[in-house]
Amino acid sequence: EDKVVQSPLSLVVHEGDTVTLNCSYEVTNFRSLLWYKQEKKAPTFLFMLTSSGIEKKSGRLSSILDKKELFSILNITATQTGDSAVYLCAVEAGGYGNKLVFGAGTILRVKS
Amino acid sequence: DAGVTQSPTHLIKTRGQQVTLRCSPKSGHDTVSWYQQALGQGPQFIFQYYEEEERQRGNFPDRFSGHQFPNYSSELNVNALLLGDSALYLCASSRPVGETQYFGPGTRLLVL
Repeated sequence: EDKVVQSPLSLVVHEGDTVTLNCSYEVTNFRSLLWYKQEKKAPTFLFMLTSSGIEKKSGRLSSILDKKELFSILNITATQTGDSAVYLCAVEAGGYGNKLVFGAGTILRVKS
Repeated sequence: DAGVTQSPTHLIKTRGQQVTLRCSPKSGHDTVSWYQQALGQGPQFIFQYYEEEERQRGNFPDRFSGHQFPNYSSELNVNALLLGDSALYLCASSRPVGETQYFGPGTRLLVL
């Protein structure tokens, strides 16, 4: 059965700290790994990763994929209170179609 | 450019009733996926529609059914509602395969 596991489940940091969120997966016919940020309702897209070892960056956020060890990390540097959210990791799994298999998410709270 | 839209935003039903949720995809997208997100969990894949047909289905009972219209919009129907169907129902749209899925704001369903 396809599985995505995120850690930690939650963490609290202070503004300016750097955080690393983890995502490991076991899926058949892996296509890509995606990170989303969910604040109230709609998950908003952050990154899509398909190749190992290539870091993707967007401002203070960055992410990398290791397809050999089946995991990804999401880094957030110089955290701000606006980074407080649930961060979801999802894997696009195989078959005819592109369903996403999600982890349970990491709840990040940034204190001022 | 309108993103993914969903209606209604909130809904309250009682056990045994039936409900229909609606989704309009982002412009240029022809694939619609539905997800159920229970409180404190990651979204769970229900099914995906492409070219007006169900292309892929997750582990949900037949009480969950859907439809896609020629303009790519979609409906999710749930019959014989159970208390456990209370959740946030998310619609995501994309191009067929290998493209990022973009999420709508969701419909919050409460079953009493």
